[in-house]
Amino acid sequence: NAGVTQTPKFQVLKTGQSMTLQCAQDMNHNSMYWYRQDPGMGLRLIYYSASEGTTDKGEVPNGYNVSRLNKREFSLRLESAAPSQTSVYFCASRDTHLAKNIQYFGAGTRLSVL
Amino acid sequence: AQRVTQPEKLLSVFKGAPVELKCNYSYSGSPELFWYVQYSRQRLQLLLRHISRESIKGFTADLNKGETSFHLKKPFAQEEDSAMYYCALSTYNQGGKLIFGQGTELSVKP
Repeated sequence: NAGVTQTPKFQVLKTGQSMTLQCAQDMNHNSMYWYRQDPGMGLRLIYYSASEGTTDKGEVPNGYNVSRLNKREFSLRLESAAPSQTSVYFCASRDTHLAKNIQYFGAGTRLSVL
Repeated sequence: AQRVTQPEKLLSVFKGAPVELKCNYSYSGSPELFWYVQYSRQRLQLLLRHISRESIKGFTADLNKGETSFHLKKPFAQEEDSAMYYCALSTYNQGGKLIFGQGTELSVKP
């Protein structure tokens, strides 16, 4: 019963390096999301994908790109990491079956950019 | 503008005391409100949502459209309630994205 799986759990990057955060869900949900969590600011939406083949910007998209590879997978890419991107990143998918509107979250990726 | 405000960063109470975590929102449409909880070293999970009008782990929350509030309440706090609590608003017509408040850390002392 995996739900939403994120990899890696931890990552340390140097300024300017690139990396991709992976997310996969096994609940057959259409919509998926990437949030970042910073102290005192709650979770803020970076990008979302309402359905396979579509992606849209959220509140804080600058410095990030996303790919909705298929229905299961939604990756987040940092092309040139900056210290301001040090954060905890959460992926989520949304259950809309029977008019539900509930998001399920992954365990998070803790990223430090030096 | 759509916004969720949780005015308290930290709320500290003793076991058995009543708890109220405040949440106010700003949204021009009909909102769908949620409380999510994050226990230590666990992932964020849904606690309750206003549509279901249920009580989970003794917590309840009532949507007050006049005061634009969705406060979370529990009559008798337990130590295992210690966690980070987030109030969130769903913009159902924008891909269902969630707008989160800043979060309130609840600490229940023995």
